[in-house]
Amino acid sequence: EAGVVQSPRYKIIEKKQPVAFWCNPISGHNTLYWYLQNLGQGPELLIRYENEEAVDDSQLPKDRFSAERLKGVDSTLKIQPAELGDSAVYLCASSPRSDHEQYFGPGTRLTVT
Amino acid sequence: AQSVTQLDSQVPVFEEAPVELRCNYSSSVSVYLFWYVQYPNQGLQLLLKYLSGSTLVKGINGFEAEFNKSQTSFHLRKPSVHISDTAEYFCAVLGGTSYGKLTFGQGTILTVHP
Repeated sequence: EAGVVQSPRYKIIEKKQPVAFWCNPISGHNTLYWYLQNLGQGPELLIRYENEEAVDDSQLPKDRFSAERLKGVDSTLKIQPAELGDSAVYLCASSPRSDHEQYFGPGTRLTVT
Repeated sequence: AQSVTQLDSQVPVFEEAPVELRCNYSSSVSVYLFWYVQYPNQGLQLLLKYLSGSTLVKGINGFEAEFNKSQTSFHLRKPSVHISDTAEYFCAVLGGTSYGKLTFGQGTILTVHP
């Protein structure tokens, strides 16, 4: 069974530029999550999807961050414009449902210069 | 809302020694508990989980954890570590008052020395 796929693995951009991350969850998993992991810290939830609906986006900075999950499968997380403080690892995870264990992708390491 | 505290940010040990990584959580209702491991430049891999039933949970790579409800703890143990166990370990809770939200501790870096 294929795991959660994320791309790109690494991204370096200049501040004020836009950036997008892509995630393909495990087949059949209805719930998809985006997490932010700063250096030396545990991941923090940004947004949770049930199928194509964002059911928890309370931690998503909506002034610059946006996400979508069209057709309830793949998802894209976008930052526009990026700031220096956005440098971090962005993790995608999926689960069969919200009260189930989560499976994580390898993450995208973003560096904003 | 629940919270997770990992009591040690770094734990150095020698190869073949036993190790315990400590985790305490706070929640007013029942939760599920997890330990994840993260190797450098990789995502998180599930080591073990406690959902219900026996309080002693066995996971992959020889790790085990014990759920203690009265002390709200979920410590991770391994009787004999290997060099390959060097990684960062995260304790996490799921559910409670924040349905569907996985709350992580700050992580413990385990370094195994030869």
